[in-house]
Amino acid sequence: RKEVEQDPGPFNVPEGATVAFNCTYSNSASQSFFWYRQDCRKEPKLLMSVYSSGNEDGRFTAQLNRASQYISLLIRDSKLSDSATYLCVVNPSPGGYQKVTFGTGTKLQVIP
Amino acid sequence: DGGITQSPKYLFRKEGQNVTLSCEQNLNHDAMYWYRQDPGQGLRLIYYSQIVNDFQKGDIAEGYSVSREKKESFPLTVTSAQKNPTAFYLCASSIRQTPITQYFGPGTRLTVL
Repeated sequence: RKEVEQDPGPFNVPEGATVAFNCTYSNSASQSFFWYRQDCRKEPKLLMSVYSSGNEDGRFTAQLNRASQYISLLIRDSKLSDSATYLCVVNPSPGGYQKVTFGTGTKLQVIP
Repeated sequence: DGGITQSPKYLFRKEGQNVTLSCEQNLNHDAMYWYRQDPGQGLRLIYYSQIVNDFQKGDIAEGYSVSREKKESFPLTVTSAQKNPTAFYLCASSIRQTPITQYFGPGTRLTVL
């Protein structure tokens, strides 16, 4: 089993739709979780951290399910500008440097 | 403005030549990282450094070398021993404490002919 797994997509959704991505992780000791956004041929940029209680930033909601070992990203009212690849990132353990693991990404295409 | 710079953006080299990719940050971050990204794949860690004059191998260090003589700089050399060097190379930095939030440079796209 991969350390971090994502559905590669692509997810093709119409403007205004709600779309959700999941990311599963294998290390139950993982402590920190993030979603990054990567536009085509550009660097990844931090979208949001994922907190245990779930968190929201405008149209974006991130949630963590420790029991089932997955995180999710929900995008409401999709915009054309949301088209990108969304990377799930996991920090395995606290205390000093631990390897940061990236998922392979889920590609989202928002269609007019 | 604070940030991470990588140069050049595009780089072409002949097979068998060593090439050095530049990465500079003015975020005052202790930790710096080099990743490689191939089409349809996630980021794979090549080397990382937590402090000046110290660095560790990542998952795919073979054929690469780094140095960390200054806090701001973490150059990566792609040697002729790297069998498949054509890729998108990303440099990142972060503070040392967890959670590790990484900030990325714009990347260098290396093509070996």
